[in-house]
Amino acid sequence: AQTVTQSQPEMSVQEAETVTLSCTYDTSESNYYLFWYKQPPSRQMILVIRQEAYKQQNATENRFSVNFQKAAKSFSLKISDSQLGDTAMYFCASGGGADGLTFGKGTHLIIQP
Amino acid sequence: GAVVSQHPSWVICKSGTSVKIECRSLDFQATTMFWYRQFPKQSLMLMATSNEGSKATYEQGVEKDKFLINHASLTLSTLTVTSAHPEDSSFYICSARSFSGRGNEQFFGPGTRLTVL
Repeated sequence: AQTVTQSQPEMSVQEAETVTLSCTYDTSESNYYLFWYKQPPSRQMILVIRQEAYKQQNATENRFSVNFQKAAKSFSLKISDSQLGDTAMYFCASGGGADGLTFGKGTHLIIQP
Repeated sequence: GAVVSQHPSWVICKSGTSVKIECRSLDFQATTMFWYRQFPKQSLMLMATSNEGSKATYEQGVEKDKFLINHASLTLSTLTVTSAHPEDSSFYICSARSFSGRGNEQFFGPGTRLTVL
């Protein structure tokens, strides 16, 4: 069984600031993947970043980076130079192999102009 | 590439009727498709995993006789909500995993909003 916990229901920052979204997880899988998805008001799920658990190096995608602490089972998302278009729900998710994903409850991120 | 479509995007039906939702991978072959349900202001919950040519695997608490899943080809999976009731009203999202998908990446459809009156 897998669980994903996001403890920040909502966060609000000013445009251009850096924000970090928290996520912890628990899994019995030995080989698994972690994801951050963005869900704007359109409700289309958009992959932000992916981390393979066996890789120690933190994944980065332009303004988005993660802090993956495997021993602590922590997987936080950092958004640098935040933009108005970053306003959305952000879901942390875990999954292994060919399994479906387990999602956290989400964090509503609001970027203020 | 990696586009997944869903049809319809929204549907309203009367209580007791059945509704079919299609999920198609447009530019790749999906060995596995997943169906999720998302209630308002909540997260996505995995309902079932569908592999082409075999029976779907349902998550605990999901009624397989109510939510019929068919994955007849590598590009199409359907979810049929049978005898729908107002409590089945939700946002249904499918995702597809390609045969060569890296890192278990799943590509999500745009979702289907079901309203049962």
